Amino acid sequence: DAGITQSPRYKITETGRQVTLMCHQTWSHSYMFWYRQDLGHGLRLIYYSAAADITDKGEVPDGYVVSRSKTENFPLTLESATRSQTSVYFCASSESLAEIPYQETQYFGPGTRLLVL
Amino acid sequence: AQTVTQSQPEMSVQEAETVTLSCTYDTSESDYYLFWYKQPPSRQMILVIRQEAYKQQNATENRFSVNFQKAAKSFSLKISDSQLGDAAMYFCAYRDGGSQGNLIFGKGTKLSVKP
Repeated sequence: DAGITQSPRYKITETGRQVTLMCHQTWSHSYMFWYRQDLGHGLRLIYYSAAADITDKGEVPDGYVVSRSKTENFPLTLESATRSQTSVYFCASSESLAEIPYQETQYFGPGTRLLVL
Repeated sequence: AQTVTQSQPEMSVQEAETVTLSCTYDTSESDYYLFWYKQPPSRQMILVIRQEAYKQQNATENRFSVNFQKAAKSFSLKISDSQLGDAAMYFCAYRDGGSQGNLIFGKGTKLSVKP
């Protein structure tokens, strides 16, 4: 049972380049999320998706694009990377928002550490 | 907007002792969930414990328990019989019951365990 995976785990890129971070989950969870973790800020939501082809902005969406053509995949693209996007990126998923115990609990991938030079 | 505050940037505990990590939150909602996540040096986010706001009984998971004070908007984590493997960053998180589902995180508490 692979759960939720992210790739690459580490990425170094240059300012202005396009970068795509991949997230894949094997649970068929409806909801998927992208967070970034920066020192002094904790984790902040970038984008989320309630189902295939349904996405919405979170707290810090500027400079990012997401898509969700399949339930199990939720890639995050930095269209033109900037140094301020150097961060650790976490993907998470949850089964639903239904009021059944633990269905709303989010499970996290291992993270991608991105360095923008 | 909802906020989560962890007032202790760092804490230290002796192995086998008990430690309590503090968390307060601000919300006008009555239906919500609270979580504690552990982040060891590997950076993996691991769910430790969760609490539904409508439940008065405090959640427990083995050595981990919470003290949920809804009126005071407080949600502290108690770790009993601390082990070296408990050393990590601990994040308190909040989610509205009927919202889009995203978590709002505190800034974390770094817990060190001394042998």
